[in-house]
Amino acid sequence: ETGVTQSPTHLIKTRGQQVTLRCSSQSGHNTVSWYQQALGQGPQFIFQYYREEENGRGNFPPRFSGLQFPNYSSELNVNALELDDSALYLCASSLAGGGSYNEQFFGPGTRLTVL
Amino acid sequence: DQQVKQNSPSLSVQEGRISILNCDYTNSMFDYFLWYKKYPAEGPTFLISISSIKDKNEDGRFTVFLNKSAKHLSLHIVPSQPGDSAVYFCAARSSRAGSYQLTFGKGTKLSVIP
Repeated sequence: ETGVTQSPTHLIKTRGQQVTLRCSSQSGHNTVSWYQQALGQGPQFIFQYYREEENGRGNFPPRFSGLQFPNYSSELNVNALELDDSALYLCASSLAGGGSYNEQFFGPGTRLTVL
Repeated sequence: DQQVKQNSPSLSVQEGRISILNCDYTNSMFDYFLWYKKYPAEGPTFLISISSIKDKNEDGRFTVFLNKSAKHLSLHIVPSQPGDSAVYFCAARSSRAGSYQLTFGKGTKLSVIP
């Protein structure tokens, strides 16, 4: 069973640029969630995708957008980067439907630095 | 407005003793509470969960207690081992229109001293 993978591991961008982060879900999982973890903070929910549709969104502006593909892999896109976007971006996959709690499995994250 | 709070940034415990990590929440609509453990350079790993209708859940050395009236939960690790040294995040699940979202606390760094 393959776990959640994310690429790239590290990324440096300058203010105003755009970035795309990628995530491959754990085998068999149909739901992916993205989180932003700033230094010294807990992960903050950005949005969730289920069956290629956005299925819930946290308190993030529209310049944060995403995609989920038929193979359930996902992208997080951030436009017009700001210094405060510097953070660890975590992807988590899960299997929606059935069961009392559907555990979210996290990837190792992408460390984004905006200069 | 922080809905999930972990007020202790760090905790040091001797090997073999009990570690108690605490978490408070404000949102009565949370239906599940979870603990995640995170090592440096890795993503959070699920440890244990508890439904809002329970008051205790046990899994090996890990026990989570939930006090709904106080909006408080705690994670007990007995006995603590050096390998338990990590950052522990308390998280709470809410649902809206079929979407489940986790709200995390800021984490508590546990150091288990051999």
